[in-house]
Amino acid sequence: DGGITQSPKYLFRKEGQNVTLSCEQNLNHDAMYWYRQDPGQGLRLIYYSQIVNDFQKGDIAEGYSVSREKKESFPLTVTSAQKNPTAFYLCASNTLAGGQETQYFGPGTRLLVL
Amino acid sequence: QKEVEQDPGPLSVPEGAIVSLNCTYSNSAFQYFMWYRQYSRKGPELLMYTYSSGNKEDGRFTAQVDKSSKYISLFIRDSQPSDSATYLCAIMGYDYKLSFGAGTTVTVRA
Repeated sequence: DGGITQSPKYLFRKEGQNVTLSCEQNLNHDAMYWYRQDPGQGLRLIYYSQIVNDFQKGDIAEGYSVSREKKESFPLTVTSAQKNPTAFYLCASNTLAGGQETQYFGPGTRLLVL
Repeated sequence: QKEVEQDPGPLSVPEGAIVSLNCTYSNSAFQYFMWYRQYSRKGPELLMYTYSSGNKEDGRFTAQVDKSSKYISLFIRDSQPSDSATYLCAIMGYDYKLSFGAGTTVTVRA
């Protein structure tokens, strides 16, 4: 099956701990994105990458880090510097070919602070 | 001012009614317009995608774009309880980044 997978489905973080959320796609998409969703606020862009070994900050990058070592993988690390990490995290991807730029989303990871 | 404004609702309608959802946007450089449906605790799924002013139909769904007014709409005809979800409008600029509305929660009562 083609698609975007995110793991784990639920993640618990202790204070001061870094945690990493996984995102993998087998759609051969060029670009990948991480969003954070809080109730009543829609989706906010954390980081995005349009090519391997390159990525850009989104609107709320502070306290997060990413890597893009492979085209199919774009892990997100929530660092201890992120003081309010409880949220629903969504990974998305798209191709950058003309006329096919729509983003497709994974199932999400819910991060909770212990 | 947010780039994309969407009434969060909630919106409750009886089964069979027409659901009307709207968003306004401020940046005239936006070029692609999308509607996503999100069920509780799930990732959004793409419903409709268009890039020009006018109407686009897909089954019970119609997306409408008015670029001169910076206004987009989604209509759901013959609504079903399975249409109960949060609907997100999203607009893309030339940099491929999406700007989302806050989402409208819809409940279709059987």
